[in-house]
Parts: sequence; C-alpha cells; structure tokens
Amino acid sequence: QSALTQPASVSGSPGQSITISCTGTNSDVGTYDLISWFQQHPGKAPKLILYEVKRWPSGVSNRFSGSKSGNTASLTISGLQAEDEADYYCSSYAGSTYVVFGGGTKLTVL
Amino acid sequence: QVQLQESGPGLVKPSQTLSLTCTVSGDSMTSGGHYWSWIRQGPGKGLEWIGYIHHRGSTYYNPSLKSRGLISLDTSKNQFSLKLTSVTAADTAVYFCARDPNGGAYDHWGQGTLVTVSS
Repeated sequence: QSALTQPASVSGSPGQSITISCTGTNSDVGTYDLISWFQQHPGKAPKLILYEVKRWPSGVSNRFSGSKSGNTASLTISGLQAEDEADYYCSSYAGSTYVVFGGGTKLTVL
Repeated sequence: QVQLQESGPGLVKPSQTLSLTCTVSGDSMTSGGHYWSWIRQGPGKGLEWIGYIHHRGSTYYNPSLKSRGLISLDTSKNQFSLKLTSVTAADTAVYFCARDPNGGAYDHWGQGTLVTVSS
C-alpha cells in the first residue's frame, strides 16, 4: 500500500483536460510544498514534469500544471494529446521518511 | 548532459546480497549538493524510494528496508553503489538510480535495471 493515494486510472479525449489527485497526510503533502509529479511510459524511466507543487523543469510543456490544497495535491493536463498516455506518479517530501510516492495513475487518451 | 547508468547482476539468489552500481556522467558527484538516490519498482507496481547518499557522504535509507541497505560513493569513478542484503523474492524489481536536487525532485534517472531474486 502506497503512502500517497492516487486514482488507479483516469481517461480523457484529445483536447480535453484531466486532473489527477494525490492525497497524503499532515506528515507529508499537508506540511511540505516539495511535491513532484512524474510521467512514465511503458518500459521507460520516470520523467520529472513538475516539482515544488507547480514548477516546470526545463523543457516540460506548460500543459502540465500543479496545485495543492490541504493534504491533496493535483496534476492537471490540459489539451490532452495521444503522447500523454502514460502512468503518472506523485511524490512528497515526508520528513523522517524522506520521500513517499503515490501508487500511480494510468492515463488513457481515448 | 547529465546521464546515469545502472549496472550489475540481473539475477540474485535468495538470502544473498544484491549489488548495483550507478555511473554518472555530465555532472560531478562531489559538487552541486545533490542527493544520489536509488529507487525501485516491483513488477506492475509503483515506485519505492530505497535511499540516498549526499555528495558529502551522508546516507539515509527507507526504514522499510530494516537496515538491509548500504549506499556508498566512489568519487574517483563518479559512481555510487547499492548493496541490499538478505534478499527475498519481494526484492525483485527494476532498480533505478536518480539525481535529486532536493526533497524528491528526481530530475535525472538511469534507464533502470531488472533484478530478479530467484534460486
């Protein structure tokens, strides 16, 4: 069982927007703004797409956006494209246990 | 650009020690203040942080490993290594090495290497 809770799957049509939630506790998401999101295509390493809740690494599309409210962080992908189909993981700094991950969400582009 | 590459045996027997090395290019491990980390992903499962070594040599491990993990640094080769003792089938996973500037924002990853624990 993962420390952070994500929906197992979400789907959307090309051009639409989707949001993936990531729920933690006061020991991680609720206390720290060190929330990261990763995109992972099958057989590949994860790729950092957001860090510190809403910052973009160099070269990442601004179609990816992040937010946080209380113990829940969210990733929104706007203008869905076929290549966005992948697994998405959130992570949070968690103090004494350093970093915890979500269980992952499979995004299907219909 | 920064690149990481894992290497090591793909098959380990139960109760033995898993040993992997990550070779870093494009960045000096002794500068920059990064946390050089190991992360694993079991078959069909999510990501699990194993531990890190800071460029100054301090280490920190996931408590769930119950003291089985050891991460070391070889600055002369720009490498860091993972040893995981007393492995079981539950340790079968793809093992990734990654660079962490701070708090889990892993910005560079190796391609991953599958380690299977089986007799």
